[in-house]
Amino acid sequence: SQQGEEDPQALSIQEGENATMNCSYKTSINNLQWYRQNSGRGLVHLILIRSNEREKHSGRLRVTLDTSKKSSSLLITASRAADTASYFCATGPFSGNTPLVFGKGTRLSVIA
Amino acid sequence: GAVVSQHPSRVICKSGTSVKIECRSLDFQATTMFWYRQFPKQSLMLMATSNEGSKATYEQGVEKDKFLINHASLTLSTLTVTSAHPEDSSFYICSARDRASPSAGTLPSRAFFGQGTRLTVV
Repeated sequence: SQQGEEDPQALSIQEGENATMNCSYKTSINNLQWYRQNSGRGLVHLILIRSNEREKHSGRLRVTLDTSKKSSSLLITASRAADTASYFCATGPFSGNTPLVFGKGTRLSVIA
Repeated sequence: GAVVSQHPSRVICKSGTSVKIECRSLDFQATTMFWYRQFPKQSLMLMATSNEGSKATYEQGVEKDKFLINHASLTLSTLTVTSAHPEDSSFYICSARDRASPSAGTLPSRAFFGQGTRLTVV
């Protein structure tokens, strides 16, 4: 089953602009992770934020987490054409035997 | 970092045949591996949890007799799609976690993903 929705489902921006993607989830979480997937490829782990953290940065990425609203956002600043991909949030795991549960994803297109 | 190797990356098979997909953890031991399926422009859906030395746990709606999972060692899990049909055409991805990673309550551990297998049944 999936945790929830990603918003927007698709986003098209110009190179240099910022891209913001949102993710909502339904259950309590231990951590939330963001992944990128280029078309037809595997997943690339971008960033992990723990449930007791509110914001985290990694290069051009900024992730926020609001556990009271059960939501997270991923901001990509100064986007590049190479950022074109699908982005998924995933929640968990609670233990070694618990899988990640993925959101529906946002398809980002960065136009040069 | 940890690497999960999935093979093959792409396979085309005839309807009615079986296809085996391998998932290996290259530099760590994984007592648990996960198999996901992804249809075009959709998210990853968990199919089953593969446990080393025991039977896999399948998600609701996933036929265990059609998707055979074997986790014979701490570094290898296989998914066999039996009697494949065109509707089984999809992208299959495995995931593994390092058994040495801390459990919940301490630092959360990452899941590592294979490169995926594009299955086309004709």
